[in-house]
Amino acid sequence: AAGVIQSPRHLIKEKRETATLKCYPIPRHDTVYWYQQGPGQDPQFLISFYEKMQSDKGSIPDRFSAQQFSDYHSELNMSSLELGDSALYFCASSLRDWNSPLHFGNGTRLTVT
Amino acid sequence: GENVEQHPSTLSVQEGDSAVIKCTYSDSASNYFPWYKQELGKGPQLIIDIRSNVGEKKDQRIAVTLNKTAKHFSLHITETQPEDSAVYFCAAGGSARQLTFGSGTQLTVLP
Repeated sequence: AAGVIQSPRHLIKEKRETATLKCYPIPRHDTVYWYQQGPGQDPQFLISFYEKMQSDKGSIPDRFSAQQFSDYHSELNMSSLELGDSALYFCASSLRDWNSPLHFGNGTRLTVT
Repeated sequence: GENVEQHPSTLSVQEGDSAVIKCTYSDSASNYFPWYKQELGKGPQLIIDIRSNVGEKKDQRIAVTLNKTAKHFSLHITETQPEDSAVYFCAAGGSARQLTFGSGTQLTVLP
């Protein structure tokens, strides 16, 4: 079965640079979520989108922004990168139904040097 | 907001034995409790979930129990196998869209 696709898998950036992470949800899933997972940490919710509109907002820094496009894919834009932004970034998708479980992609490992 | 505590942080069992991971939550409004398995280099994969109108749910070797009065839920894995070795996360929320994760349990199944 098709899963959530994230690209790139690995990304290395320098401090103060920008990064863009992409997420392609499971077909027919209309809701996308972004999570950040630091080393040895649990996933922390950043932001979610439904039908191209922001749905919920978590602990996303002001330096980050995200959007969802008409084909339901989403992009997380990260500017003025800091060393502390080094983490795994996961995208998850689901149907809008409150009972629909989240399905995670395999993540993008961002390293800021 | 919701606060989820998970224990133990590490767990080693012999192959064939059972493993139990426990979580407590703080928000009595939470009514959705999934468990995720995360293998190295991969994203969390949903293995089982339970909703507050159910006390126990089983899927082959995996079971989850929920005690809403005490605000705790547990994952039970029976007849453990080496491929069960991974990090397991519990989560709680009002729905799948509002999840707070526990801190994770590194399960190691020794052959």
